[in-house]
Amino acid sequence: NAGVTQTPKFQVLKTGQSMTLQCAQDMNHEYMSWYRQDPGMGLRLIHYSVGAGITDQGEVPNGYNVSRSTTEDFPLRLLSAAPSQTSVYFCASSMDRGLDTGELFFGEGSRLTVL
Amino acid sequence: GENVEQHPSTLSVQEGDSAVIKCTYSDSASNYFPWYKQELGKRPQLIIDIRSNVGEKKDQRIAVTLNKTAKHFSLHITETQPEDSAVYFCAAIPTGGFKTIFGAGTRLFVKA
Repeated sequence: NAGVTQTPKFQVLKTGQSMTLQCAQDMNHEYMSWYRQDPGMGLRLIHYSVGAGITDQGEVPNGYNVSRSTTEDFPLRLLSAAPSQTSVYFCASSMDRGLDTGELFFGEGSRLTVL
Repeated sequence: GENVEQHPSTLSVQEGDSAVIKCTYSDSASNYFPWYKQELGKRPQLIIDIRSNVGEKKDQRIAVTLNKTAKHFSLHITETQPEDSAVYFCAAIPTGGFKTIFGAGTRLFVKA
């Protein structure tokens, strides 16, 4: 199993550009989420999904959109990038929370710079 | 919603000493408390977790304690080694919830 795969690993954008960070997992996990990591602020939850067709907002959702059309994929879209979105982004997945299994499996991260 | 505070933000110890990282949470409904380790340039990985029906859990040199009344939990690393140098994150998840909320992280330096 590849686990959680994120692409791209690095990206530079100009202010106002749009892009999509891709995330795929092959563990048949129902739960997927996106975090951003900034120095001194830990991992902050952007959006999450508890299954195909279901998404919800996390702590810092503004400026980001998500969709979950399949169990495997959970892309994160930046519609109009801003310098404040410069960060490292992590996708993470977990088994069905209904089974009370909480371990998150993270992707390798995507470093985004917005100029 | 849940809020997790973590202290200290930076911790420096001599090799062989113990290290303690403390976290507090706000949502009394939280029942699962994992700890993640993130080495430089790598992804966070789970190292140990504890559930609300348990007060303490050990795994070799690491242990976690939970005080539900005070709403705080701690990570203890004994006999620290240089490879323990990393950023450590605590987190909390409420019962029936889906959001893992993380603390701000502690950067641990173990000096040889």
